[in-house]
Amino acid sequence: SAVISQKPSRDICQRGTSLTIQCQVDSQVTMMFWYRQQPGQSLTLIATANQGSEATYESGFVIDKFPISRPNLTFSTLTVSNMSPEDSSIYLCSVGLPQETQYFGPGTRLLVL
Amino acid sequence: GNSVTQMEGPVTLSEEAFLTINCTYTATGYPSLFWYVQYPGEGLQLLLKATKADDKGSNKGFEATYRKETTSFHLEKGSVQVSDSAVYFCALRMNSGYSTLTFGKGTMLLVSP
Repeated sequence: SAVISQKPSRDICQRGTSLTIQCQVDSQVTMMFWYRQQPGQSLTLIATANQGSEATYESGFVIDKFPISRPNLTFSTLTVSNMSPEDSSIYLCSVGLPQETQYFGPGTRLLVL
Repeated sequence: GNSVTQMEGPVTLSEEAFLTINCTYTATGYPSLFWYVQYPGEGLQLLLKATKADDKGSNKGFEATYRKETTSFHLEKGSVQVSDSAVYFCALRMNSGYSTLTFGKGTMLLVSP
């Protein structure tokens, strides 16, 4: 299994600003994922982040809005840029190997005013 | 594409009642199936999984059987507790190649004493 921590756990931000969310894993993992969970909705995959390569974004998500860094095998960041109230969500970091169980962090609860 | 459909919540039960949360899926191929649970204010935790037809996943008194003929993976528990109050997500992942999780919309369970 993997233990995942995220910072911050929650934040309230003003529209137009940016927030960087950190994800730390207690073991080295190749693949990390970032999900968004909008209020009352299910999880939507934003992007897959592999160490040493550019993140792969899902349809509807772009790098300019959600830049991702993956500097090593235990850490990643997701930035939510130029925020609007529609970005209010829970953002979750996840790790997992192909065909293995996927583990999730506790999430970052973001409210944009 | 692949999709997961769950019964809408909230499901409201009294303690010690029997629980069923329905989940059906659509997939081109043979996926692995999962139930994740999200307790209030926390991230997702894997509850149970099944990787092939007729497999039964079980954990903490919960169980679900992979039914290929009905493309279903219903979650059951014989006697719920107040501490089971959470949101339950059904999910699938294809077994061929690299694939990420596809989630249902989640079902909130509220158990009263």
